[in-house]
Amino acid sequence: NAGVTQTPKFRVLKTGQSMTLLCAQDMNHEYMYWYRQDPGMGLRLIHYSVGEGTTAKGEVPDGYNVSRLKKQNFLLGLESAAPSQTSVYFCASTQGNTEAFFGQGTRLTVV
Amino acid sequence: DQQVKQNSPSLSVQEGRISILNCDYTNSMFDYFLWYKKYPAEGPTFLISISSIKDKNEDGRFTVFLNKSAKHLSLHIVPSQPGDSAVYFCAASVAGGFKTIFGAGTRLFVKA
Repeated sequence: NAGVTQTPKFRVLKTGQSMTLLCAQDMNHEYMYWYRQDPGMGLRLIHYSVGEGTTAKGEVPDGYNVSRLKKQNFLLGLESAAPSQTSVYFCASTQGNTEAFFGQGTRLTVV
Repeated sequence: DQQVKQNSPSLSVQEGRISILNCDYTNSMFDYFLWYKKYPAEGPTFLISISSIKDKNEDGRFTVFLNKSAKHLSLHIVPSQPGDSAVYFCAASVAGGFKTIFGAGTRLFVKA
């Protein structure tokens, strides 16, 4: 029972490079989320999806894009990485307004 | 504008004693509150929740108290164990909504 799986776990990017973070869940959850965690800031919502084919902006969406082409997958893209995007990224899924299940996180460093 | 605030970045408690973690919120529309626990290099895991129609919810050693008039909730851990050492996040959401807002977290140290 994998739950929520994030790929990759670590990545170092140069400023201006692009990358995609993949999140996969096997719980048939409708809702999926991308958060970033920074020291002293808690978890801030980047984008979320309430179902296949739908996405919406969270608290800090600038510089990121997302896609939910399949119910089980939620992709987070950085088109042109900036040092300010150095963070730990967490994907989560829920079924309704209930507790969220989180992935193990992706530690991204932009140099 | 932080809607969910955890004003204590860290807390140190002796094993066997009570740990009390506090959380304040500003949005009166919040009606569902959760606590998550996070170990290093892992994702947060759900610990306990409470609906705004209740003022207390208990699960084993963990109890969450909600004071709606003060817009304050707290997590009590009794007795505290070294394995409870982790970062604890308070979170809040609106029923029927899709966004959950997290606090900055409190790092709990339980000394043996």
